[in-house]
Amino acid sequence: DSGVTQTPKHLITATGQRVTLRCSPRSGDLSVYWYQQSLDQGLQFLIQYYNGEERAKGNILERFSAQQFPDLHSELNLSSLELGDSALYFCASSARAYNEQFFGPGTRLTVL
Amino acid sequence: DQQVKQNSPSLSVQEGRISILNCDYTNSMFDYFLWYKKYPAEGPTFLISISSIKDKNEDGRFTVFLNKSAKHLSLHIVPSQPGDSAVYFCAAIGGGTSYGKLTFGQGTILTVHP
Repeated sequence: DSGVTQTPKHLITATGQRVTLRCSPRSGDLSVYWYQQSLDQGLQFLIQYYNGEERAKGNILERFSAQQFPDLHSELNLSSLELGDSALYFCASSARAYNEQFFGPGTRLTVL
Repeated sequence: DQQVKQNSPSLSVQEGRISILNCDYTNSMFDYFLWYKKYPAEGPTFLISISSIKDKNEDGRFTVFLNKSAKHLSLHIVPSQPGDSAVYFCAAIGGGTSYGKLTFGQGTILTVHP
């Protein structure tokens, strides 16, 4: 158990819908990262927050957004969903930038 | 543009022997490297890391070697055990405003036979 929790574990929804994925980092970790794992793209960095502020952006679509709350949990919002958004979404946390990141179990999103 | 590459999609090894997983990178700004193990339906699990100021780091059965001039790193597992069977990802951090963003390779499936 990495100490990072993610909910829900599975999500099935339809095209055009909006969903919210939630992540709670390890106790004491200020950085939260979101990654997407799809079959053809591997693990891709989406976005990073540090203590409530956005720090880095990767290949995140404009239809996706995220935030980190004062209690340090983070939410990833995916809107206008398309079939191609079906993937595993992982959250990770770390104490500092050049530290090991610890991953949650992931949310499997299926868009029908 | 694949900045971190794991050219072997799979590796099969006998229990007790050495497993060697390889990783190449192209971005010379990378200065911290990590290996993760992943089982199906689980998140990646951190194994071992190495800073670019070192060329070797050891932790139990796991050793990571870094050859900066060749932009190559490898993970050695000795002795290999059936429970090591998983997908192994190498990842890199570094460069400007990366702020700890991990860039992953595509993964290598390791199978350790009893």
